[in-house]
Amino acid sequence: DAGVIQSPRHEVTEMGQEVTLRCKPISGHNSLFWYRQTMMRGLELLIYFNNNVPIDDSGMPEDRFSAKMPNASFSTLKIQPSEPRDSAVYFCASSLPLTGTVGNIQYFGAGTRLSVL
Amino acid sequence: AQSVTQLDSQVPVFEEAPVELRCNYSSSVSVYLFWYVQYPNQGLQLLLKYLSGSTLVKGINGFEAEFNKSQTSFHLRKPSVHISDTAEYFCAVSASGGSYIPTFGRGTSLIVHP
Repeated sequence: DAGVIQSPRHEVTEMGQEVTLRCKPISGHNSLFWYRQTMMRGLELLIYFNNNVPIDDSGMPEDRFSAKMPNASFSTLKIQPSEPRDSAVYFCASSLPLTGTVGNIQYFGAGTRLSVL
Repeated sequence: AQSVTQLDSQVPVFEEAPVELRCNYSSSVSVYLFWYVQYPNQGLQLLLKYLSGSTLVKGINGFEAEFNKSQTSFHLRKPSVHISDTAEYFCAVSASGGSYIPTFGRGTSLIVHP
């Protein structure tokens, strides 16, 4: 398996622009997670899905952030409008079903480095 | 809810020296414990995990960790490090029941000098 695939790897945009980050989870994984990593806050869980349904989005910082999972093999994280403080590395991770999988392991993509100027 | 404290933000060490990265956790329920490693410009990958049984857990690349319930610790060790071990190391904890969503620590940057 190719692992979790994220695109783009790098994104540079100007404040106010819309940004869309993409993720393809590992085939057969029913759970998908979006994280944000910064020096100040470390690794933050933004939202996670189970069987394409958003379960907990309490980590999404503002209404400017939205995430979708239209099918089992694709998810997007959108920021509209973007702001300089959104600059970070955004990771997508996938795992086997959350319930019933003891000691569930998360598999991370390589991340998208976002810079908002 | 669970929380994780990684006591050192940065650990410099010389090549072939031993290293210990410290991790303490708090939880009101039984937990599973993990160490993940993040190499530069890559995502996190699992190094090792403790679910139950022997408190000494061996992982990839010669790393091991020991679960100490009384001290609520899960320190990571390697007897002899290599330059290639330079990376960010994250300790994580999840509750042993429920959704198993992990809580990650802030990370420890291991810097191996020649």
